[in-house]
Amino acid sequence: EDQVTQSPEALRLQEGESSSLNCSYTVSGLRGLFWYRQDPGKGPEFLFTLYSAGEEKEKERLKATLTKKESFLHITAPKPEDSATYLCAVQAQGGSEKLVFGKGTKLTVNP
Amino acid sequence: DTAVSQTPKYLVTQMGNDKSIKCEQNLGHDTMYWYKQDSKKFLKIMFSYNNKELIINETVPNRFSPKSPDKAHLNLHINSLELGDSAVYFCASSQRAGRADTQYFGPGTRLTVL
Repeated sequence: EDQVTQSPEALRLQEGESSSLNCSYTVSGLRGLFWYRQDPGKGPEFLFTLYSAGEEKEKERLKATLTKKESFLHITAPKPEDSATYLCAVQAQGGSEKLVFGKGTKLTVNP
Repeated sequence: DTAVSQTPKYLVTQMGNDKSIKCEQNLGHDTMYWYKQDSKKFLKIMFSYNNKELIINETVPNRFSPKSPDKAHLNLHINSLELGDSAVYFCASSQRAGRADTQYFGPGTRLTVL
């Protein structure tokens, strides 16, 4: 069964303190790995899609990387507005469209 | 110019009642989804429709019945509501099936069953 594990569950950073979030996955053939950001009371907001090992994508202070077993979301010099829950999800090959989500990492950036 | 919209935002009801949640997308996408996010914030797929045809049904109780009148709308009807149905329900859409297309989520409907 496809599975996604995110760590840590919660992370507290000072403004400007860079760090990384981890997403480990097991899937029977990866079609895509997705990162979303979710603010309280809102729906997940798309950040990145990664398709194959070695791929990297960047957006402002965020950079996502992918290996055959895990993905990292690197946050460089975070700001308080980066505080949110970050969700990782995988989509497997073989016809199913569903995303299998991890439980998320709740990031708090203090000023 | 909301991409994926849901109504209502909040729904509070008694056990045993029947309720519906509506979803509409204006992105021109072919595929729509319902996800459930429980109290531990875990997001899990329930159903998916592609061009009004059901393609995913993830062992959801048959009290839950999705209905897609056209490819821009996917509604969720729930019969005989139970306490355990309390959760946030998200609608999503993607361009087409068979590819790792991005799924865009609506704002969610918080259902509380008393």
